[in-house]
Amino acid sequence: AQTVTQSQPEMSVQEAETVTLSCTYDTSESNYYLFWYKQPPSRQMILVIRQEAYKQQNATENRFSVNFQKAAKSFSLKISDSQLGDTAMYFCAFMKPLNQGAQKLVFGQGTRLTINP
Amino acid sequence: SAVISQKPSRDICQRGTSLTIQCQVDSQVTMMFWYRQQPGQSLTLIATANQGSEATYESGFVIDKFPISRPNLTFSTLTVSNMSPEDSSIYLCSVGEGAVNEQYFGPGTRLTVT
Repeated sequence: AQTVTQSQPEMSVQEAETVTLSCTYDTSESNYYLFWYKQPPSRQMILVIRQEAYKQQNATENRFSVNFQKAAKSFSLKISDSQLGDTAMYFCAFMKPLNQGAQKLVFGQGTRLTINP
Repeated sequence: SAVISQKPSRDICQRGTSLTIQCQVDSQVTMMFWYRQQPGQSLTLIATANQGSEATYESGFVIDKFPISRPNLTFSTLTVSNMSPEDSSIYLCSVGEGAVNEQYFGPGTRLTVT
């Protein structure tokens, strides 16, 4: 079974700083997808970014980028020029492809990120 | 991505009663999912609901406690039956779509059982 671990329960940075959230996972699969979700206090889960394991290039979405290290099974999220609206709980998640069985998202424990003015 | 709504957004229920949560999507989707998020915890998949077939439940979740309906490609319900305070959680539905069938979530239903 797949497991996802986020070792930083809480982080806090000043506005405009860069912050990196860590995530490691364990799987025997060679093909899979990794995601970062954001859950602000409103509790709506928002997809931030995704990475396909077969792609070597790290995904980027505006101020959000990932550092995907497949051999190390590491998937960190970097937020550049952090903004107050980035304050939220961030979850790392793993999913197998559709052709490999049930598409279940396996979540890490989450990192509570606070951006201070 | 699809626009997903849930009803109710929150409810306070007495133990022993049941609550049905509705999930509505603005487009047709094949796969819908129900997750539970206990207070201060991460999300755990309850079941996968595909239209035209029985829901598939994860280990630790049973149909008698969490019956699910999926009558069409835009709608699903989750019932939390015979509730106890341990059922107090946020319940979220999600749909799979996009290039890799990534999941998008509804706003969640906050359930408190007294």
